[in-house]
Amino acid sequence: EAGVVQSPRYKIIEKKQPVAFWCNPISGHNTLYWYLQNLGQGPELLIRYENEEAVDDSQLPKDRFSAERLKGVDSTLKIQPAELGDSAVYLCASSLTTAGQYTGELFFGEGSRLTVL
Amino acid sequence: DQQVKQNSPSLSVQEGRISILNCDYTNSMFDYFLWYKKYPAEGPTFLISISSIKDKNEDGRFTVFLNKSAKHLSLHIVPSQPGDSAVYFCPGGQNFVFGPGTRLSVLP
Repeated sequence: EAGVVQSPRYKIIEKKQPVAFWCNPISGHNTLYWYLQNLGQGPELLIRYENEEAVDDSQLPKDRFSAERLKGVDSTLKIQPAELGDSAVYLCASSLTTAGQYTGELFFGEGSRLTVL
Repeated sequence: DQQVKQNSPSLSVQEGRISILNCDYTNSMFDYFLWYKKYPAEGPTFLISISSIKDKNEDGRFTVFLNKSAKHLSLHIVPSQPGDSAVYFCPGGQNFVFGPGTRLSVLP
């Protein structure tokens, strides 16, 4: 069974440019998470989806970040315009949640490393 | 406000000995905890979980202990192996809030 797939693995852009990351969760997983991880720190939640609904986006900087999960499967995370401080690893994860209760662990993709010059 | 605290940024252990990694959490609503390890340039991988109705869960070399009254979680690895060298996280709660991680180094 395929795991969580993210692309691109690496992206280098100049500041003020836009960038987008894509995530395909594990088949059947209804909950999808986007995390940001800075060097030497733990992952920080940006947004959590249950199916196509964003149930928690309180930590998403909405002035420049946006996300969508059309049809409750794949998701994209966009930054426009990117700033130097956005350089980090962007992790996507998925899990199976039933009636608001998690039924298993969180599965992570390998991450997308963004470098903003 | 850190909801999950890992007060030891690093830990070194001799191969074959026990590694004990600790987490403290502040949110009493957390009722499900997981341990993950992370190698460089990879996403975190799941190790073991525990729900608040238990105080211990064991899987091979890994045992997780939960002290709900103290809001304290620990992971025991015994015997430790060099391949266990990684950064360990203990996310909890519905949004799987992560702490800063503890870097474990198992020395041969």
